[in-house]
Amino acid sequence: DQQVKQNSPSLSVQEGRISILNCDYTNSMFDYFLWYKKYPAEGPTFLISISSIKDKNEDGRFTVFLNKSAKHLSLHIVPSQPGDSAVYFCAASAGGGSNYKLTFGKGTLLTVNP
Amino acid sequence: DAGVIQSPRHEVTEMGQEVTLRCKPISGHDYLFWYRQTMMRGLELLIYFNNNVPIDDSGMPEDRFSAKMPNASFSTLKIQPSEPRDSAVYFCASSGRGGNQPQHFGDGTRLSIL
Repeated sequence: DQQVKQNSPSLSVQEGRISILNCDYTNSMFDYFLWYKKYPAEGPTFLISISSIKDKNEDGRFTVFLNKSAKHLSLHIVPSQPGDSAVYFCAASAGGGSNYKLTFGKGTLLTVNP
Repeated sequence: DAGVIQSPRHEVTEMGQEVTLRCKPISGHDYLFWYRQTMMRGLELLIYFNNNVPIDDSGMPEDRFSAKMPNASFSTLKIQPSEPRDSAVYFCASSGRGGNQPQHFGDGTRLSIL
């Protein structure tokens, strides 16, 4: 039973355009969401997070949107750069402020073409 | 600053052998996590520690798996006896105090059981 789903295994975009990565969840107890980026042969690196009390969080080129009613979140990267090519994982927790137990999606491979 | 350090990076061994994976968390971090990544199940939390004490081991698959944290700067994940289905990438992560501190991952140990 996959509680966090990333339905697109891969996404390809042109440099300079917007990348939109999507994530759906089923557990209504999730209240904190994160995105991680992973390069080959490296561990995941934290990118950005959002609490369920917000619907948007922005950090430079990265913006995460949360739609609680749809149980959906998305990561927008604008503008996309070739160095953004990586696997992106969505993660969620139901910690109520203690967000240690993360549930991950299976990831989306983003390729940004020069 | 040094990140999370895992050793070995690669391990190939025969079924039935004991396997020990090692992790050094980031200095000052109170939480340590062990994850396993497989194609089928993605990235799963196995166990996590707070101040060297195991808090949640509900993700540990079987009694063949055990984890210890004898001090704040070292943890081990042991599999005894190992089986081919244990082949995966094992990640260690650590985080600081505070519910929303991001987890910092090591580069993983790629384990192959023949």
